[in-house]
Amino acid sequence: EVQLVESGGGSVQPGGSLRLSCGASGFSFSTYVMHWVRQAPGQGLEWVSRISHDGTVTSYADSVKGRFTVSRDNARNTVYLQVNSLRAEDTAVYFCARDLNLEFFDYWGQGTLLTVSS
Amino acid sequence: QAVLTQPASLSASPGALASLTCTLRSGVNVGTYSIYWYQQKPGSPPQYLMRYKSDSDKQGASGVPSRFSGSKDASANAGILLISGLQSDDEADYYCMIWYNSVVVFGGGTKLTVL
Repeated sequence: EVQLVESGGGSVQPGGSLRLSCGASGFSFSTYVMHWVRQAPGQGLEWVSRISHDGTVTSYADSVKGRFTVSRDNARNTVYLQVNSLRAEDTAVYFCARDLNLEFFDYWGQGTLLTVSS
Repeated sequence: QAVLTQPASLSASPGALASLTCTLRSGVNVGTYSIYWYQQKPGSPPQYLMRYKSDSDKQGASGVPSRFSGSKDASANAGILLISGLQSDDEADYYCMIWYNSVVVFGGGTKLTVL
């Protein structure tokens, strides 16, 4: 069974940093592109970042470029999102999602909540 | 102007046909894109429903009822998710998505109420 489990969320002050993790199981993790998508409270979905299967290619939404860094450890079946210089508008549930053939996201985690507040 | 625009809400009666639109920004031609649709219920992550590019190029996710189908309105430059025979369980938020300039773009979502 495919499972994605996010962790690492919490409450952080503006300007702070955190590292979010997404542990994967039930599939050949190293062969899949992975994404981070966020959802602010009561709002819609916003794509955040993507990382290639081997970690060599990454891309980011303009809203997080230069502040967030995605990485992965295929030996640990985990994808990470390092979030720096946090702003109130980064408050959201952060989901990781598996990409099927650079088309759609066929599996999602339950998400981890990041709250940025003083 | 957002790349994808969805009406914030839509209400329909049980058994009716719901038509959820996803309008592409002027200059972004709907004919060029596959439109992906997701359903999200409160407290849960989104679930993939289907991809629609044309009647000959479409795909539904495993387990999605045939009541859910896709379409396009070229004159309105919009993708459409059609849900026939509405059921109370269809009440959810629905998001469209495209790959635009190699990045993922979501619409703002439509909250479908079945009443």
